[in-house]
Amino acid sequence: SSELTQDPAVSVALGQTVRITCQGDSLRSYYASWYQQKPGQAPVLVIYGKNNRPSGIPDRFSGSSSGNTASLTITGAQAEDEADYYCNSRDSSGNHKGVFGGGTKLTVL
Amino acid sequence: QVQLVESGGGLVKPGGSLRLSCAASGFTFSDYYMSWIRQAPGKGLEWVSYISSSSSYTNYADSVKGRFTISRDNAKNSLYLQMNSLRAEDTAVYYCARDSMLSSETFDYWGQGTLVTVSS
Repeated sequence: SSELTQDPAVSVALGQTVRITCQGDSLRSYYASWYQQKPGQAPVLVIYGKNNRPSGIPDRFSGSSSGNTASLTITGAQAEDEADYYCNSRDSSGNHKGVFGGGTKLTVL
Repeated sequence: QVQLVESGGGLVKPGGSLRLSCAASGFTFSDYYMSWIRQAPGKGLEWVSYISSSSSYTNYADSVKGRFTISRDNAKNSLYLQMNSLRAEDTAVYYCARDSMLSSETFDYWGQGTLVTVSS
């Protein structure tokens, strides 16, 4: 079982704002990164660090963190944002050992 | 541009072995930590292993420790995963990923993956 917990599924109306959350003890010490994965494709990094977007990621994607919870917010969701989203961080022991959340399936209605 | 291309996947019987490779290009491979991450069919992502830029440090998920070995050849810009004593639960797409220099346990580039199927 993951040390990071995500809701299995979330839906959002086209153009509205949605928040996807990730909970875990390690998030009190380490930032989460967020990945988008569409069917049949490799994951793509969308948010890392405090709130950083790699080149090419739209600015409607943003990240935040409070206590043991990290959040990915999509402001003005588009149809192409429908995908699985995964958070990851270092494991709670602090060792250089990655851990992923179970993933959240985002449906854009 | 950064490219990571995995190879070596296939069908193997339980207890068998397989060696995955990842060819890297478009960046200075020897500067970066690298990782293997897998995804079982219809399931989520699971971090498998990482290796430091000079091969000094490695680490493994508990699920593969003692069975899998990560290595790299910086002269060939290549990453490897030797998988022994394979089990049905090792069936997955295996991704090679580059560890970001900007944030720990962040994977900024991924290959397209190679499928490993463990079945009799």
